[in-house]
Amino acid sequence: DVKVTQSSRYLVKRTGEKVFLECVQDMDHENMFWYRQDPGLGLRLIYFSYDVKMKEKGDIPEGYSVSREKKERFSLILESASTNQTSMYLCASSPGTGVQPQHFGDGTRLSIL
Amino acid sequence: RKEVEQDPGPFNVPEGATVAFNCTYSNSASQSFFWYRQDCRKEPKLLMSVYSSGNEDGRFTAQLNRASQYISLLIRDSKLSDSATYLCVVTLSGGSYIPTFGRGTSLIVHP
Repeated sequence: DVKVTQSSRYLVKRTGEKVFLECVQDMDHENMFWYRQDPGLGLRLIYFSYDVKMKEKGDIPEGYSVSREKKERFSLILESASTNQTSMYLCASSPGTGVQPQHFGDGTRLSIL
Repeated sequence: RKEVEQDPGPFNVPEGATVAFNCTYSNSASQSFFWYRQDCRKEPKLLMSVYSSGNEDGRFTAQLNRASQYISLLIRDSKLSDSATYLCVVTLSGGSYIPTFGRGTSLIVHP
C-alpha cells in the first residue's frame, strides 16, 4: 500500500519564520504535489514536481518554494511565514505513467501566529 | 467560470436513502475523472475512477456524460459512515496530467 508521510500533523510558527514541511513517499512515484486546503476554497495546488530537481508552479506559488533533491522527498518551504499561510497543507504523489490517481499524506495543520 | 464545479451541499439524507451528486467541468479536453472521499480533518482518499461506460462498486455508481460535461456519483442504501465530503477530480488529456479538484460536496447521513 502506498504510504505518503508528512513530517508533522500540527505545527505552530511565528510570522517571519522560515518554515519547512517535509513529505516522503515510499512507492517510487515520479509525481509529487503540495496543496493547501482552506474552508470554502477547496484544494489549491501550490507546486508540483515530475522528477528529481524538477518543479513547476501551481495555482498559488507566491510565498512558497519547494525542493526535490531525492525522488522520494518533496519539501515545501515558506520563506517568511505570514498569517495568511495558516492552513491545512497536503502532500500527494502519483506514478508518472499516464493519468493516475493521487495518494495523499495525512496533512499538516499549520498555524502562523 | 470555475473549471470544476460541485454543489457544496450539505446533502442531509436518512439512512437507507439514495443520493446523487453531480460535478460539472468546463474543459471539453478533460479525459480522466475520479471521485475522492474526504472525512473531516482527514486527507482525501480515492473512492473510484470514472470510466466512459460508467462503473459500479458495491453501493456506489459513477457515470460520465461527456456531451453535457458532467460526472455523477450515486450512493444507494446510504450508511452513517458515508457521511463525508466527496471531491470530484478532472484531468486534461495529454500535457502535464495535473488534476483539478472540485471544492467538494458534503454529505450527512442521519439515523
